Amino acid sequence: QKEVEQNSGPLSVPEGAIASLNCTYSDRVSQSFFWYRQYSGKSPELIMSIYSNGDKEDGRFTAQLNKASQYVSLLIRDSQPSDSATYLCAVYSGNTPLVFGKGTRLSVIA
Amino acid sequence: GAGVSQSPRYKVAKRGQDVALRCDPISGHVSLFWYQQALGQGPEFLTYFQNEAQLDKSGLPSDRFFAERPEGSVSTLKIQRTQQEDSAVYLCASSAPGATYEQYFGPGTRLTVT
Repeated sequence: QKEVEQNSGPLSVPEGAIASLNCTYSDRVSQSFFWYRQYSGKSPELIMSIYSNGDKEDGRFTAQLNKASQYVSLLIRDSQPSDSATYLCAVYSGNTPLVFGKGTRLSVIA
Repeated sequence: GAGVSQSPRYKVAKRGQDVALRCDPISGHVSLFWYQQALGQGPEFLTYFQNEAQLDKSGLPSDRFFAERPEGSVSTLKIQRTQQEDSAVYLCASSAPGATYEQYFGPGTRLTVT
């Protein structure tokens, strides 16, 4: 069974710091990787997608993918209290549904 | 433009009742997905449509669950003879052609079975 693992947290960081969120996956043929943000009581919102090894930056967010080690991470620079949410990692392996991790709860302390 | 919409937002059903949950995807999105999300968990896949064709229903937990998208736009997820374990948030997502797995979620329907 394909698995996507995340530390459930909470991960607490002070305002202005870098938050680092990690995700590992079990299926070596995984192709596409996504990070969703989910505020409490709301639905997931796509914030980053990454398809090849290396870094992808979008504003304060950087996604990092290492297929050899089967992990993907999300860095949030200059963390703000409004970044406090649960971050879901999702993995697509081809001809299978998107598999989500359970999410990491991030708390940014002002 | 408008995002994915779902109705009702909240539904309370007595055990044994049938329920129907509606999803209206983003205009032009051919792919539509249904997920079930329990508290503290990530969304779990239920079923996937491309236009009106149901391409994958492997995640439907039992034959009490049925989904349709007859005209390739609006979709309905029906749960017959609801059970307490069906209580969850049901999320619908849609995606554009060529970006099937960059999915955009609706607000969800919170189903409580009493």
